[in-house]
Amino acid sequence: ETGVTQTPRHLVMGMTNKKSLKCEQHLGHNAMYWYKQSAKKPLELMFVYSLEERVENNSVPSRFSPECPNSSHLFLHLHTLQPEDSALYLCASRKWSVAGGTSYHNEQFFGPGTRLTVL
Amino acid sequence: AQSVTQLDSQVPVFEEAPVELRCNYSSSVSVYLFWYVQYPNQGLQLLLKYLSGSTLVESINGFEAEFNKSQTSFHLRKPSVHISDTAEYFCAVSYSTSYGKLTFGQGTILTVHP
Repeated sequence: ETGVTQTPRHLVMGMTNKKSLKCEQHLGHNAMYWYKQSAKKPLELMFVYSLEERVENNSVPSRFSPECPNSSHLFLHLHTLQPEDSALYLCASRKWSVAGGTSYHNEQFFGPGTRLTVL
Repeated sequence: AQSVTQLDSQVPVFEEAPVELRCNYSSSVSVYLFWYVQYPNQGLQLLLKYLSGSTLVESINGFEAEFNKSQTSFHLRKPSVHISDTAEYFCAVSYSTSYGKLTFGQGTILTVHP
């Protein structure tokens, strides 16, 4: 497969369940991101991993737990979610580099998303 | 705080008409600007980007956007739209951080009618 893939594409879970979302990138990128897309709200950045180290956590509740075991894989572990957590969860990756003190801003590549419904 | 404003939540147009989707961002010394498009049930795809150089950037499918530093804008235009351009369009800004954090606008739904 090429690009950024996400599984599952759809997930329905109860508030007491534990599930995980998976993202995989085949682009040789070194930074990965989780975004939440809710109806009528802007895309919200949740987590940033750079070189497998979490570098940003945007005040996300602890019921969302990310994991980045290597530069190609990113997980989002879910437990005791609330109905308001229902949304499209998007993964993205990017190749960033620094040369001469300048950071080069290549675009992010997005996966198709996981549509999550919490009952 | 960094912010991006897309002034229109919905833009309906007829096929072959011109369209402009507006985007303004909060000012900063160095910005990198992007337009992404999202078709139904799909992720975001990059449409075009401004990193440096010429302020007018173009995509392969006829869209263009112009970086206007004085007005802090990055409006997206197309002189003649097609039915297949119906989608949601997101403007995004990356400021000078090494992790490339993107701040997105609220999105504009473009609907092209026959």
